[in-house]
Amino acid sequence: GENVEQHPSTLSVQEGDSAVIKCTYSDSASNYFPWYKQELGKGPQLIIDIRSNVGEKKDQRIAVTLNKTAKHFSLHITETQPEDSAVYFCAANQAGTALIFGKGTTLSVSS
Amino acid sequence: DVKVTQSSRYLVKRTGEKVFLECVQDMDHENMFWYRQDPGLGLRLIYFSYDVKMKEKGDIPEGYSVSREKKERFSLILESASTNQTSMYLCASGLLGATEAFFGQGTRLTVV
Repeated sequence: GENVEQHPSTLSVQEGDSAVIKCTYSDSASNYFPWYKQELGKGPQLIIDIRSNVGEKKDQRIAVTLNKTAKHFSLHITETQPEDSAVYFCAANQAGTALIFGKGTTLSVSS
Repeated sequence: DVKVTQSSRYLVKRTGEKVFLECVQDMDHENMFWYRQDPGLGLRLIYFSYDVKMKEKGDIPEGYSVSREKKERFSLILESASTNQTSMYLCASGLLGATEAFFGQGTRLTVV
């Protein structure tokens, strides 16, 4: 089955800096790669996703890149703000299977 | 907006009790999922269901069972609760295929 590794487990940045979180996956058949943000006391919410036919996707300050050959994908947050502080999860799956998640990254943005 | 509702935010149960965690979604999604979240371990899949009365084991199904009698409702059952099942339980739903999963707010279960 699929296995997703996520690094780092914690990340501290200054407001305005960039943050990068990296994930690798094991199943070359996976073709959907979402990123979720979880704030305290809430369930995870999708912030951006990418499919295997695309190499990069951007949404304002957030971008995701995918390298299918190396089986890794990354989340990039630019101009970080205190409200970006949360736990971030990457995940991977293919049709007919459930999302398999990484272990999460706790991002702290200090002002 | 998609809404996934879990019946309880907090539950405290005794060791050996049979525990039911209920989840309802209002978007006619085919897929429903139960995950368990523990610090440092991320979200681990317990069971998922892609249709009424259908279920698939996830990575950690031991000690759990599920029931899906109606499309909108997916129940997680702890047959005999144990202290190592103290955790946050998250329900999610989604369309068929490789797509976004929508999560409920979670149930924090404590087994004493």
